[in-house]
Amino acid sequence: GENVEQHPSTLSVQEGDSAVIKCTYSDSASNYFPWYKQELGKGPQLIIDIRSNVGEKKDQRIAVTLNKTAKHFSLHITETQPEDSAVYFCAARGHQGGKLIFGQGTELSVKP
Amino acid sequence: DAGVIQSPRHEVTEMGQEVTLRCKPISGHDYLFWYRQTMMRGLELLIYFNNNVPIDDSGMPEDRFSAKMPNASFSTLKIQPSEPRDSAVYFCASTPDREETQYFGPGTRLLVL
Repeated sequence: GENVEQHPSTLSVQEGDSAVIKCTYSDSASNYFPWYKQELGKGPQLIIDIRSNVGEKKDQRIAVTLNKTAKHFSLHITETQPEDSAVYFCAARGHQGGKLIFGQGTELSVKP
Repeated sequence: DAGVIQSPRHEVTEMGQEVTLRCKPISGHDYLFWYRQTMMRGLELLIYFNNNVPIDDSGMPEDRFSAKMPNASFSTLKIQPSEPRDSAVYFCASTPDREETQYFGPGTRLLVL
């Protein structure tokens, strides 16, 4: 079945450093890849997404890259700040739409 | 917009009791999703609706779980009878179109003793 693998499960960086989280997906027909940030006690919130017709997308300190051939995509956070500390989830959606398959999550800790 | 609204935010119940979780999607969103989040299994899709009709319920764990969407602004997820292994955070999400982003509610934290 469809599967999304996410690494690492935990990531600790110093404030100001960059953080990279990677995901691979199994369904080659997947065409939509969102990233969610979940803070303690809250629901996941979309921070950036990318569609399969684009290789890279950037929004201020956050960027996502997609390699369709290798079936993997990555989240890049530059100049990290303590408020970036949260659990980040990647997800992939197949060509038929609707259902998202989530990765296992990465707990990011940014130390001041 | 108030976003996706879920109630209750916390629920503590005893094994064997019936539990009903409620969700109000964002107005105008035709798709509604129910997820369960646990440490062991992460975020799992339980069921989703399109225009109040269940489309995929393959993630519903067993017959103890049922979900309904009587109208475009309200959905329920019911567990009867509840068991300790049902303890989790249950999220509702909605989207205007299946190709668009899903917006999550704050979740209901369920503890079954």
